[in-house]
Amino acid sequence: DADVTQTPRNRITKTGKRIMLECSQTKGHDRMYWYRQDPGLGLRLIYYSFDVKDINKGEISDGYSVSRQAQAKFSLSLESAIPNQTALYFCATSDAGAYDYTFGSGTRLTVV
Amino acid sequence: AQSVTQPDIHITVSEGASLELRCNYSYGATPYLFWYVQSPGQGLQLLLKYFSGDTLVQGIKGFEAEFKRSQSSFNLRKPSVHWSDAAEYFCAVYANAGKSTFGDGTTLTVKP
Repeated sequence: DADVTQTPRNRITKTGKRIMLECSQTKGHDRMYWYRQDPGLGLRLIYYSFDVKDINKGEISDGYSVSRQAQAKFSLSLESAIPNQTALYFCATSDAGAYDYTFGSGTRLTVV
Repeated sequence: AQSVTQPDIHITVSEGASLELRCNYSYGATPYLFWYVQSPGQGLQLLLKYFSGDTLVQGIKGFEAEFKRSQSSFNLRKPSVHWSDAAEYFCAVYANAGKSTFGDGTTLTVKP
C-alpha cells in the first residue's frame, strides 16, 4: 500500500455539487497538506494541518474546507464546486523535523 | 514572503547529454531547499534536499544540486540524461510555519 493514499483518483462532478476528496497516510506524520496543481502555476497550498486540532488556511482556501478526522486522515471538501476548481489535487505529509513532503498520487477533479 | 522562480518552463535535451535546471529563491534567512520530480500520472517524489553544510548535495537517480547563496540559486544537474528522466521538475523552499513554496515547474523532454 502507498504511504499516502488519495481517493478518488479521478472525479467528474457538476457545478454546484458538494464533493469530498480523501487522504490517508501510513507514515505516522503529524503534518498534512492539500495542494492544488494547475498547468504552469506549480502547486498552491489550500489548507494544512499540524495535528488533529490545528487547521490552517493556505494561499487559496476560498471555496474549500477541510476536516482532520484523525492523525492519518485529512479530507478536502468543495462545498459548491465551480469549473475553475478543475485541477489536480495533491495531499502531502511531512514529519515535524524533516521538512520534506511525501505526496499522494493525486486526484484529478473535473467540474463541468 | 518566500518565493521560488524556475526560469525555464520547458527544456529539451538529447539522451546522454548533460542537464541543468535552474531555480532561484527569495527568502530572508537560510533556506531549506528541495527538488521534486513528477512523472506523468504520478505524485511528486523527493529528489534531493539542502539544509546546511556542503553546498553540493547528491540525490536519487544520479541527480545533484548546488546551493549558491550569493546567487540565491539551487540548480539541479545530471551528467547524462536517460529517457526515463522525462518528467516535470519542481524546486521548493521551506519557509517558516511549516510549509513549502513551490516553483511553477520545468518540463523536461528527452530526445532519443
